Amino acid sequence: EAGVAQSPRYKIIEKRQSVAFWCNPISGHATLYWYQQILGQGPKLLIQFQNNGVVDDSQLPKDRFSAERLKGVDSTLKIQPAKLEDSAVYLCASSLMTGVRADTQYFGPGTRLTVL
Amino acid sequence: RKEVEQDPGPFNVPEGATVAFNCTYSNSASQSFFWYRQDCRKEPKLLMSVYSSGNEDGRFTAQLNRASQYISLLIRDSKLSDSATYLCVVKGIQNNNNDMRFGAGTRLTVKP
Repeated sequence: EAGVAQSPRYKIIEKRQSVAFWCNPISGHATLYWYQQILGQGPKLLIQFQNNGVVDDSQLPKDRFSAERLKGVDSTLKIQPAKLEDSAVYLCASSLMTGVRADTQYFGPGTRLTVL
Repeated sequence: RKEVEQDPGPFNVPEGATVAFNCTYSNSASQSFFWYRQDCRKEPKLLMSVYSSGNEDGRFTAQLNRASQYISLLIRDSKLSDSATYLCVVKGIQNNNNDMRFGAGTRLTVKP
C-alpha cells in the first residue's frame, strides 16, 4: 500500500516569497492533517480536513497560511508571504476516519522549509 | 496548564534499563490517547494507542489515569533501537472529539 506522498521534500526561499506544498494521502483516507514541526518541538496541527471540509483550523495563521483540499483527496498548503519563523518541517498525515477511538495517523516524509 | 505536556527529558539510559515517560493533558473530557515515536529527521509513527484499562505490547506498557489527567509509557529492557523521541498525542482537547494535539516530545537515548 502506498503511503502519504509529499512534495517537494526540501524548499529554500527568501522571506516575503510565497511557497506551496502538496500532499497526496493514502487512498481511501477521509481525514487529512497538516502539521508544522519546528526543530526541537512536537508537531503543531495547522489544519484538519474531513473529505473536503475543514474540521479544525484554530491554529492556522490565516493571515499568511491557506490550505485547500479540492475533491477531498489531494491537498495544498500555501504560505504567502513567508517569514523567517516559518522555517520548519511541514508534515502531512492522513487517517481512515475520525471520531473512532483507534484512529491512527499515517505521516508523509515532510517538506523541510528554510526561509532566509 | 498546557494542552499536552510531556517530561522534558532528555533521558539517557543504559541498555536493559526500564524507563517511564509521563504526559499530562488539560481537558478531562479528552477521549483518545496515543504514543508516537519519531526517529531523528523522520516522520512520527504510531507506537501504541492508550486504552482506559491500560495496554501492553511486548516491552511497552501504556497507562491512562483519568483522575489525574495523565498517560504514561513504560519501556522495559531498553534496546539501542529504542533511541528516539516519544510523542504524546491527545485527541479531543478543545471539546471537539476530532482535534489532535501533540506534546513537545521526550527524547530517549539508550547507550551500550
